Amino acid sequence: AQKVTQAQTEISVVEKEDVTLDCVYETRDTTYYLFWYKQPPSGELVFLIRRNSFDEQNEISGRYSWNFQKSTSSFNFTITASQVVDSAVYFCALSAFSGNTGKLIFGQGTTLQVKP
Amino acid sequence: NAGVTQTPKFRILKIGQSMTLQCTQDMNHNYMYWYRQDPGMGLKLIYYSVGAGITDKGEVPNGYNVSRSTTEDFPLRLELAAPSQTSVYFCASSYDTTRETQYFGPGTRLLVL
Repeated sequence: AQKVTQAQTEISVVEKEDVTLDCVYETRDTTYYLFWYKQPPSGELVFLIRRNSFDEQNEISGRYSWNFQKSTSSFNFTITASQVVDSAVYFCALSAFSGNTGKLIFGQGTTLQVKP
Repeated sequence: NAGVTQTPKFRILKIGQSMTLQCTQDMNHNYMYWYRQDPGMGLKLIYYSVGAGITDKGEVPNGYNVSRSTTEDFPLRLELAAPSQTSVYFCASSYDTTRETQYFGPGTRLLVL
């Protein structure tokens, strides 16, 4: 079975704090892809990053960074020096190769509130 | 570049009514998907299509139907609306499956009373 768990339902931080959103996944496939999406209060889903299972290098994009560790089946997302505009629901998702359907398995999401 | 567009943005239905949610993409993507998002939850796949004329069920297909007559359009039909179908519906598309990123439309908020 494939599953994504985002154990943190809600996180509240003060602006400029660093914050890490956790994502743990389960799959038996050796080839898979992991994604992070942002859902701001306006409701749309914004793609942030895609990572394949063979690339364990960490990635940094501005204030955003991602830590992928196959040993712990985790794909955590860190926002450095958070800003009010980062307030949103963040979803981690898994796409496995089996069945070739590209079905995304979503976690339940983590609501991040950044207070000024 | 419009990407994935959905209409309507919001709709209220009475129990038993039917409606079609429209989805169009202009990226020439082969794969298209319909998801629903219930409050406080992640998205669940309703139906997907791997190309014109080909559709298949996802996790939660009951109460819905789809068709794919063109590459661009992937409408979702609700027959006999029920309160359990109150949700936000997202359409998405991708060039290929699994390897490629799915890009989402802005969503349709549906309320069934």
